[in-house]
Amino acid sequence: EAQVTQNPRYLITVTGKKLTVTCSQNMNHEYMSWYRQDPGLGLRQIYYSMNVEVTDKGDVPEGYKVSRKEKRNFPLILESPSPNQTSLYFCASSAGTKLWGANVLTFGAGSRLTVL
Amino acid sequence: GQQVMQIPQYQHVQEGEDFTTYCNSSTTLSNIQWYKQRPGGHPVFLIQLVKSGEVKKQKRLTFQFGEAKKNSSLHITATQTTDVGTYFCAGTNAGNMLTFGGGTRLMVKP
Repeated sequence: EAQVTQNPRYLITVTGKKLTVTCSQNMNHEYMSWYRQDPGLGLRQIYYSMNVEVTDKGDVPEGYKVSRKEKRNFPLILESPSPNQTSLYFCASSAGTKLWGANVLTFGAGSRLTVL
Repeated sequence: GQQVMQIPQYQHVQEGEDFTTYCNSSTTLSNIQWYKQRPGGHPVFLIQLVKSGEVKKQKRLTFQFGEAKKNSSLHITATQTTDVGTYFCAGTNAGNMLTFGGGTRLMVKP
């Protein structure tokens, strides 16, 4: 089954404790992206990657890191989490390097992170 | 940067009533996509509009793309409880950047 898999789905952590949210897709998609969803703010892009070893900042990259060493994986790293990073996080992928034409996003199930 | 505004933020309707959500961009869009997120779920792609003035239908859902390619709407006829969720528009600008609107949360009273 074609899917985007995120782990963990739920996590409660404390301020300053480094954590990684993994994201993997099995559709051979070139484009991958991370979003955070907060009430009233919709989906805001954190980072995206057009291909292996190519990453770019989205709208809200502060406090986050990503890497794209393999095509299928795009982990989101919070080096020193803070309470304002408490949110629902979604990983998404899309075929091709351009997000227009026939390319649409397939989302993972989401990871709910709470930072105390 | 590009901004995509979506209204209303929330909408309560009685089952059987119609519902419309509107999406407006500060810049001309190459295309617009619509997604639905069920409560507790993740966004799922519904449709993409590319041409100026384009109208597409999916059963009770009608999607429109404005003539100037800066606005779009989603209209649901005779809502059902299965329509509950948050509807997002997402616009792609000339620089291939995809920006989501804030979403409209639809609640349907049976």
